[in-house]
Amino acid sequence: QVQLVQSGAEVKKPGASVKVSCEASGYTFTGYYIHWVRQAPGQGLEWMGWINPKNGGTNYAQNFQGRVSMTRNTSISTAYMELGRLRSDDAAVYYCARATPIPILYGWFDPWGQGTLVTVSS
Amino acid sequence: QSVLTQPPSVSAAPGQKVTISCSGSSSNIGKNFVSWYQQLPGTAPKLVIYDNNKRPSGIPDRFSGSKSATSATLGITGLQTGDEADYYCGTWDSSLSVGGVFGTGTKVTVL
Repeated sequence: QVQLVQSGAEVKKPGASVKVSCEASGYTFTGYYIHWVRQAPGQGLEWMGWINPKNGGTNYAQNFQGRVSMTRNTSISTAYMELGRLRSDDAAVYYCARATPIPILYGWFDPWGQGTLVTVSS
Repeated sequence: QSVLTQPPSVSAAPGQKVTISCSGSSSNIGKNFVSWYQQLPGTAPKLVIYDNNKRPSGIPDRFSGSKSATSATLGITGLQTGDEADYYCGTWDSSLSVGGVFGTGTKVTVL
């Protein structure tokens, strides 16, 4: 079955960077966009951007431009999200989600990874 | 900074029906398809409705979706205790550059 498995929880200091991985299985990794969404404690969902695993193309939400980088390694069907210059308000659960088949860009998210908790604390 | 507005909570007894509204604008819901996600406590969101009113495989027909102009609605009939969760609407916004947007979220409580 289609599945996304994310890396484990991280604890980082303010100003540091965090890199979260998302390993895909059960489908052709290069056939679907991967999006990243985060959820701060007790808060709603916030879209961060997407990566096209086929060609590495990306699009980031304005709130994260200059701080986020989304990459992929097609040989191991894994997408990555790296967020730099961490602040206390970056503490959240970060999710990857498979989206629509390339080249259909704007659709739904299904399935989602299990989430990765990122704690930012000095 | 959600741009889609949902009621904070709705509730009903088992077997009853609830509806959840999602209000947006001409740059998001007015132009794009809407999807809905169920988030059970401590778990990742799960797709329950896509393209305004379609159900993924495995989602019971107790779940329905609709869209009119700049608003969308999720309906759940025959409410069950297992439906108790947070529900989020989602779509795309074209106001500056196209980006994903979600609703503020609605807590469904089964009385």
